[in-house]
Amino acid sequence: DAGVIQSPRHEVTEMGQEVTLRCKPISGHDYLFWYRQTMMRGLELLIYFNNNVPIDDSGMPEDRFSAKMPNASFSTLKIQPSEPRDSAVYFCASSLARRGGARTDTQYFGPGTRLTVL
Amino acid sequence: QQQVKQSPQSLIVQKGGISIINCAYENTAFDYFPWYQQFPGKGPALLIAIRPDVSEKKEGRFTISFNKSAKQFSLHIMDSQPGDSATYFCAASGRGSARQLTFGSGTQLTVLP
Repeated sequence: DAGVIQSPRHEVTEMGQEVTLRCKPISGHDYLFWYRQTMMRGLELLIYFNNNVPIDDSGMPEDRFSAKMPNASFSTLKIQPSEPRDSAVYFCASSLARRGGARTDTQYFGPGTRLTVL
Repeated sequence: QQQVKQSPQSLIVQKGGISIINCAYENTAFDYFPWYQQFPGKGPALLIAIRPDVSEKKEGRFTISFNKSAKQFSLHIMDSQPGDSATYFCAASGRGSARQLTFGSGTQLTVLP
């Protein structure tokens, strides 16, 4: 399996522009998570989906952030308008609820998208 | 209530030494405690995990020690190697359908050759 795929790997944009980050989870996984990583705040969970349905978006910092999962193999995180304080590495992770009947909790992370907002 | 506190923030160890990273939690509903390893430019990857029904789990040179009464758990890296140099995160998640991990702040480990 190719693992979790994220694109782009690097994004540089100017303040006020719209940014869209993309994620393809591991095939068959039914949970998808979006995280943000900064030096100051560490790894923060932004939102997560179960079977394409958003379950908890309490970590989304403000209305400028939105996430969608139109199908089991694709999710987007959009920032509109972007601000310099949004500069961070954004990770997507996926996991499988159960394997062989037993609960599993391992999250598999993608390589991340490094976002720089000038 | 949801926090996981991790220490130290950074750690320097000589090759062959023992690296120890500690975490503490408050939420007694947590029942899954993984450690993730992250190399520069990469996403975190699961290293080892434990559930509270055991006090210790060992996988190769990596051991988790778990103290349920103290609500603490730690990662021990035996015979530390330069290739172990990375950032380590402890995390915790709870029972039921909630799957979100609460991460510690991370420990940057440097193993000197």
